[in-house]
Amino acid sequence: GAVVSQHPSWVICKSGTSVKIECRSLDFQATTMFWYRQFPKQSLMLMATSNEGSKATYEQGVEKDKFLINHASLTLSTLTVTSAHPEDSSFYICSARVKRNEQFFGPGTRLTVL
Amino acid sequence: DAKTTQPPSMDCAEGRAANLPCNHSTISGNEYVYWYRQIHSQGPQYIIHGLKNNETNEMASLIITEDRKSSTLILPHATLRDTAVYYCIVRVVGGGSEKLVFGKGTKLTVNP
Repeated sequence: GAVVSQHPSWVICKSGTSVKIECRSLDFQATTMFWYRQFPKQSLMLMATSNEGSKATYEQGVEKDKFLINHASLTLSTLTVTSAHPEDSSFYICSARVKRNEQFFGPGTRLTVL
Repeated sequence: DAKTTQPPSMDCAEGRAANLPCNHSTISGNEYVYWYRQIHSQGPQYIIHGLKNNETNEMASLIITEDRKSSTLILPHATLRDTAVYYCIVRVVGGGSEKLVFGKGTKLTVNP
């Protein structure tokens, strides 16, 4: 299947700082990417849909000013957690749509905010 | 949006077939059934998807009932590496995003 990478795989930061997570499609172009968040022992929660060249669409309850998403190219989407706090500590996972019916996921990024 | 119902957990003996059920009684005619799995601390892995007909690939088989209200994912010869949370998802089509909404899934434990 198609390969999606994320960087970094884990990050620890101080409260109040911003953290950027990258999601790349390595062997295909993705016009649409998705960002999920997963808390321990819970399922994945969709945060936003990222479309290349346009503004992201956020799910209800997700603060767009806190979770900045940029999809500037067909192979890269970034999620920036601004002014991170301990409650933002989570496992962040991106996915990319390959074809109309196929979506592949990255390995995830574990964020710990101290 | 259609919802899915899965048992929270299942056990299976290594080498045996694992049959994971999923109910999606409110599925609409143009919605697909997808299966993904997530091994601990990794991103979800695509397994298989289908619309009406049964599907098979190198990983698994998907059996969809004629009324499409339920389906079963079959891992024909489960191995210890198949221990994971398995998610049955009905694809939501909204605004062109075709997003996947995850439920709680079934935690499958394959025992030696």
